[in-house]
Amino acid sequence: QKEVEQDPGPLSVPEGAIVSLNCTYSNSAFQYFMWYRQYSRKGPELLMYTYSSGNKEDGRFTAQVDKSSKYISLFIRDSQPSDSATYLCAMAYSGAGSYQLTFGKGTKLSVIP
Amino acid sequence: KAGVTQTPRYLIKTRGQQVTLSCSPISGHRSVSWYQQTPGQGLQFLFEYFSETQRNKGNFPGRFSGRQFSNSRSEMNVSTLELGDSALYLCASSLAGPPNNEQFFGPGTRLTVL
Repeated sequence: QKEVEQDPGPLSVPEGAIVSLNCTYSNSAFQYFMWYRQYSRKGPELLMYTYSSGNKEDGRFTAQVDKSSKYISLFIRDSQPSDSATYLCAMAYSGAGSYQLTFGKGTKLSVIP
Repeated sequence: KAGVTQTPRYLIKTRGQQVTLSCSPISGHRSVSWYQQTPGQGLQFLFEYFSETQRNKGNFPGRFSGRQFSNSRSEMNVSTLELGDSALYLCASSLAGPPNNEQFFGPGTRLTVL
């Protein structure tokens, strides 16, 4: 079992839909949870960052972390064609001056006008 | 503020050769991390440099190495290239390194090994 599992999709939704993207993980040591967006031919850019459990909202984006279930989600409200990209979850733990950072393989999202 | 730049953007090499990739971080950022991205394995962490010292390392063979200069610019070297090294190599810079500090990624270098 890989440490971080993410459904690669592709996921296709109509404009205006609510999108739900998810990752599961097996390492209970993870403390930091991130979502990145990667457009074609570009590097990833950080969308959301959460430390420990709970929800975080930023505009149309909401990140949720459920450490008891080892499950994280990213919700996109009122999705737009410009949201079409690959979304990567990432998780990390740190200690003794080092850290481990692990990414999911990414979910490709298409928002159809 | 200029973003992270990587050179070259595209590279074609043959098996057995070696390659050096370059990364210029955002001004003021002291941490540079390198990643390999492939369709099969996704984004995988190679190593991180901070103030010219390798601070963290992923699970890659010794053929993959790097260094950082006093101006925070970083290079990554892959020796004895294999077909499986074909990938997008990304570098990311941050003020003081992940996971507590946001990383800013460059556009990547697309390496093709024939």
